[in-house]
Amino acid sequence: DAGVIQSPRHEVTEMGQEVTLRCKPISGHDYLFWYRQTMMRGLELLIYFNNNVPIDDSGMPEDRFSAKMPNASFSTLKIQPSEPRDSAVYFCASAEGNEQFFGPGTRLTVL
Amino acid sequence: KQEVTQIPAALSVPEGENLVLNCSFTDSAIYNLQWFRQDPGKGLTSLLLIQSSQREQTSGRLNASLDKSSGRSTLYIAASQPGDSATYLCAVRSGTYKYIFGTGTRLKVLA
Repeated sequence: DAGVIQSPRHEVTEMGQEVTLRCKPISGHDYLFWYRQTMMRGLELLIYFNNNVPIDDSGMPEDRFSAKMPNASFSTLKIQPSEPRDSAVYFCASAEGNEQFFGPGTRLTVL
Repeated sequence: KQEVTQIPAALSVPEGENLVLNCSFTDSAIYNLQWFRQDPGKGLTSLLLIQSSQREQTSGRLNASLDKSSGRSTLYIAASQPGDSATYLCAVRSGTYKYIFGTGTRLKVLA
């Protein structure tokens, strides 16, 4: 298996623009997680899905953030409009059972 | 609210030393605890997963222990090597599938 796939790996955008991050989980995994990592706050859970259904989105910082999982093999995290404080590395992870497997992350820079 | 702390924040040791990384959590009602390794600019790699009913897990030179009642886990690395240099994170799952991560220990093993 190729592992968790994220795209793009790097994204540079200007404040106010819409940003869409993409994730393909490991086939057969029924949980998908979106995390954000910054130097100041460490690794924070934003939202997670079980069988494509959002279970807990309490970590989503603002209404500017939204996540979808239209099918078992694809998820998106959208920020609209983006702000400089959204600059971070965004990770997607998937799990079947107890162990999480992380993707390589998307480094987002908002100018 | 579960809080996870890792001490020390950074550690530098000569090659060959045995070392211990610490992880503390405030709520002992956990489901499991997972140790990860993160290399600079990369995603997280799972090292060891300890279920709440277990006391320890071993993989090669790594041994992780869990003491739920005291809210502590340790990661023991035997005969450290320069290739072990990375940031080590622990994550605690409490009931739901929500994982809370510690702030990490940045390890440097000197050749």
